Parts: sequence; C-alpha cells; structure tokens
Amino acid sequence: AAGVIQSPRHLIKEKRETATLKCYPIPRHDTVYWYQQGPGQDPQFLISFYEKMQSDKGSIPDRFSAQQFSDYHSELNMSSLELGDSALYFCASSLGPTGTYEQYFGPGTRLTVT
Amino acid sequence: GENVEQHPSTLSVQEGDSAVIKCTYSDSASNYFPWYKQELGKRPQLIIDIRSNVGEKKDQRIAVTLNKTAKHFSLHITETQPEDSAVYFCAASGGGATNKLIFGTGTLLAVQP
Repeated sequence: AAGVIQSPRHLIKEKRETATLKCYPIPRHDTVYWYQQGPGQDPQFLISFYEKMQSDKGSIPDRFSAQQFSDYHSELNMSSLELGDSALYFCASSLGPTGTYEQYFGPGTRLTVT
Repeated sequence: GENVEQHPSTLSVQEGDSAVIKCTYSDSASNYFPWYKQELGKRPQLIIDIRSNVGEKKDQRIAVTLNKTAKHFSLHITETQPEDSAVYFCAASGGGATNKLIFGTGTLLAVQP
C-alpha cells in the first residue's frame, strides 16, 4: 500500500538559511499534519491542513510557514534557521480532519542546522 | 492546555513477560487514543488505537484499555519478544476542531532475550 512520502530525507543547512520540506500524503487522504521531534522528545504538533486550508496551528515559530496544494501535497518552509531547529520533521496524513481518523506518518526529514 | 502523561519512561522485561504502559490525558473532550511504536530514527508506526465508545480492544499480543471517567488508557503487550523493543508513544486527539495528536513523553521498552 502507498505510504506518506517526504523529501528530502536528510537536509543540512547553516544558520540563517532557509529550508523547504515536502510531503505527499497517502492517496485519497485530504488532511496533512506536520510534527517536529527533537532528540529524545515526543513529536510536537506544528500545523495541519484540510482541503488546502489551514485547519489547526500548534507551536510553530513565526519563521515557519506551510501550505497545502491542489494535489494535496504540503510544503513546510523554514526561514532564518536556528541551531534549535535541528530535529526530525514528520508529516502525517489522514482521511478527514476531525473525528477519529488514523494518522499515518511519513519517514521524516532529518534537518541539521550547523 | 492539553496534556498527556505517560509512565513509565523506561521499562525492561524478560522475553515472554508482559509489559504495561499507562497514560493519562487532560482534555475530557478527547475521543481517540492511538499508540505508536517508534524505532530509533524511524517513523512512528501506528500499532493499535481505541475510540471513546469502546473500553477495550485487542489485536493478537497487543491490547488497549480505556477508562474515560478516570481519563486513563493503557497498552498491554503479552508474550514480549526482542523485536518489541522500541519507544512507545501514547497520544490523544479529537478534543478540538481537528485531529491533531497530543503525545505522551514515550516509554523505552527493552525486552531482554
């Protein structure tokens, strides 16, 4: 079965640079979530989209922005990168924004800021 | 705000023994409680979930129980195997307009052969 696809898998950037992470949800899934996981931490919700509209927002810095496109893929744009942004970034998708739909995670993008 | 507490943070068992991980959530409106298994550097993998209209769910060696009154839910793994070794996260969602997951802090399970 098709899974969530994320690219790139690894990314190394310097401080103050920008980065763009991409997520392709499972076919027919219309909702995308972004999570950030620091070393030894639990995943923290950043932002979510349903039908190309932002549906919820968590602890996402103002330096970050995201959007969902007409083909339902999503991109997370990160600017003025800081050392503390180094983390695993996961995208998850589900069939529907509310209720009790399962969320399936992609393989993640490991971002290292030097 | 919304919070999920998870205990214990580490758990070591002998192969064949049972393991139990417990979580407590704060938002009484939460209605969906998944459990994820995560190996080092890998994605969280959904292993079982339970919805608020069910008190218990079982899938082979894994079971989850939910006590909505006490806002507790637990993961039970029987006949543990070395390949069960991983970090396990509980989560809660459904308390608001979206399905965002609030995760517990994780339990590192080590199954000793």
